[in-house]
Amino acid sequence: DVKVTQSSRYLVKRTGEKVFLECVQDMDHENMFWYRQDPGLGLRLIYFSYDVKMKEKGDIPEGYSVSREKKERFSLILESASTNQTSMYLCASSLIRRGRGDGELFFGEGSRLTVL
Amino acid sequence: AQSVTQLGSHVSVSEGALVLLRCNYSSSVPPYLFWYVQYPNQGLQLLLKYTSAATLVKGINGFEAEFKKSETSFHLTKPSAHMSDAAEYFCAVSGGYQKVTFGTGTKLQVIP
Repeated sequence: DVKVTQSSRYLVKRTGEKVFLECVQDMDHENMFWYRQDPGLGLRLIYFSYDVKMKEKGDIPEGYSVSREKKERFSLILESASTNQTSMYLCASSLIRRGRGDGELFFGEGSRLTVL
Repeated sequence: AQSVTQLGSHVSVSEGALVLLRCNYSSSVPPYLFWYVQYPNQGLQLLLKYTSAATLVKGINGFEAEFKKSETSFHLTKPSAHMSDAAEYFCAVSGGYQKVTFGTGTKLQVIP
């Protein structure tokens, strides 16, 4: 059974703290994604990666960075957390082949981050 | 550029009634289209996808969607709603690259 695991379901951090959100997939997928989900805004793409050490900016990359040192792991980093980064963060992976967009995204259960 | 518009952030239906969730898309290339469902406190899971093989797509749990190029629509339907269908539904579009763009979601309430 395919699985995307996010390390923390709930986190509470203070403004200015550095935050790491970890995501691991066991499906040998090349592509991994980080989205944030906010009520009324749906899912918005922060960053994605189609290979180890490769990353591409999504629609809202400001204030975030990512790391992909191993194929199965994709980390989202908030260098200095702010209250407007309070949100649900969803990691996903897929087998979408380059030049095609028909692959299914497999999602983790999400990490709800509160920044005080 | 690609985008998705979901009409209606909340939809209520009676148990046993028709479910219709609306989705319109914009894409500069022939699109791939998806419907995902999210149950409370869970991630999203795929309901169905359109990849140009057939305009009427059948998915899990009795859902289906029809791709209409002339209307740039991909509406989701189910003939008879069940209580277990209560969830949030997301339409998404991909234009032949890895990036998948989601709509703002529609919460479906099923009334007994």
